[in-house]
Amino acid sequence: EPEVTQTPSHQVTQMGQEVILRCVPISNHLYFYWYRQILGQKVEFLVSFYNNEISEKSEIFDDQFSVERPDGSNFTLKIRSTKLEDSAMYFCASTERASSYNEQFFGPGTRLTVL
Amino acid sequence: LAKTTQPISMDSYEGQEVNITCSHNNIATNDYITWYQQFPSQGPRFIIQGYKTKVTNEVASLFIPADRKSSTLSLPRVSLSDTAVYYCLVGGTSRSNDYKLSFGAGTTVTVRA
Repeated sequence: EPEVTQTPSHQVTQMGQEVILRCVPISNHLYFYWYRQILGQKVEFLVSFYNNEISEKSEIFDDQFSVERPDGSNFTLKIRSTKLEDSAMYFCASTERASSYNEQFFGPGTRLTVL
Repeated sequence: LAKTTQPISMDSYEGQEVNITCSHNNIATNDYITWYQQFPSQGPRFIIQGYKTKVTNEVASLFIPADRKSSTLSLPRVSLSDTAVYYCLVGGTSRSNDYKLSFGAGTTVTVRA
């Protein structure tokens, strides 16, 4: 069964450093998402991406965040200057079509720890 | 997006049936009801989705009354591995015609031996 993959599984970084989280969505999917989950809290939407551009972003997704689909398979989330409060699990998701009745497939997540 | 209300937690024992009810009084005509499951340190996983009446798959059943203001996820004969957080989501497309998932706190189901 096809699945979304994410690397690395765990990233430790110093405050102020840049990190890039990588995702490989399911190959025939067209819509891509990043979510984050701070420990013990709910899953929060960050950004959605379609046709090589951001289609929606949340208030969390400020100028320190950016997304890119550098080639036909990878989808990346970059945090330019990490803060302590960026420590969280980051989940990538993809779906074939964007509607309320299409399943989103989530990756296993990247645990980001900012020291 | 329709607001949902579900219990914070539920305890059960192996072999029992677990029923989680979600209230969504403001559900819109075009909205589907979707349930996701999340194990610790893993991404959410789609379980089941329905629009009305009853839907059943190999994992769960979803019961939706005629007024669609609530729904009940039923997990038959749970095992220890069903311990997870279960999220009820209701909604249609967002303003950008895209569809982001809006998770609440979910229901933490703990299955004991």
